Amino acid sequence: KAGVTQTPRYLIKTRGQQVTLSCSPISGHRSVSWYQQTPGQGLQFLFEYFSETQRNKGNFPGRFSGRQFSNSRSEMNVSTLELGDSALYLCASSFSGTGGSPLHFGNGTRLTVT
Amino acid sequence: TQLLEQSPQFLSIQEGENLTVYCNSSSVFSSLQWYRQEPGEGPVLLVTVVTGGEVKKLKRLTFQFGDARKDSSLHITAAQPGDTGLYLCAGEESGGSNYKLTFGKGTLLTVNP
Repeated sequence: KAGVTQTPRYLIKTRGQQVTLSCSPISGHRSVSWYQQTPGQGLQFLFEYFSETQRNKGNFPGRFSGRQFSNSRSEMNVSTLELGDSALYLCASSFSGTGGSPLHFGNGTRLTVT
Repeated sequence: TQLLEQSPQFLSIQEGENLTVYCNSSSVFSSLQWYRQEPGEGPVLLVTVVTGGEVKKLKRLTFQFGDARKDSSLHITAAQPGDTGLYLCAGEESGGSNYKLTFGKGTLLTVNP
């Protein structure tokens, strides 16, 4: 069974640009969550999607958005990039998105904003 | 906002030593999970503890959930270089069915041969 696939693995952007990251969950998983990981703040929850609906959202500005498609693949978009957006962005999928359904993480997209 | 504090932040030991890392909060979590993350990879789930006072063993790793479900510990016996990595605890917030985990900042463990 293929794991969670995130593309691209690395991205370099300049301030003010926008970026789109992609996540393909494990086959059969309908919940996709996104996390931002930085050395200073650790992993912080961005949002979670289930069956194309955003069910939960973390404390990030509106520049961070996401969506989920009917095949459960998900994208997240960051507009008007800032230097502080440099981070590892992790996507995780689970079967149902509830406590009894463990998370499976991808290897992340490393975003560098210059 | 529920917070999880992990300690120590960094730990460097010799192969064969024992160690314990801690995960503490002032909030109650419905479950607590431990992950290990290696460089260039995403976190991998090691264990989930749900019941207060629960103890789970995974080979040389022993996980304990506090009686009040606010804290947890991970004990590694006879550490090996392959145990090197970032150990993260994550709490599932009580109530609701949505899956939102609060992560600690992690303990970076280095086991030297």
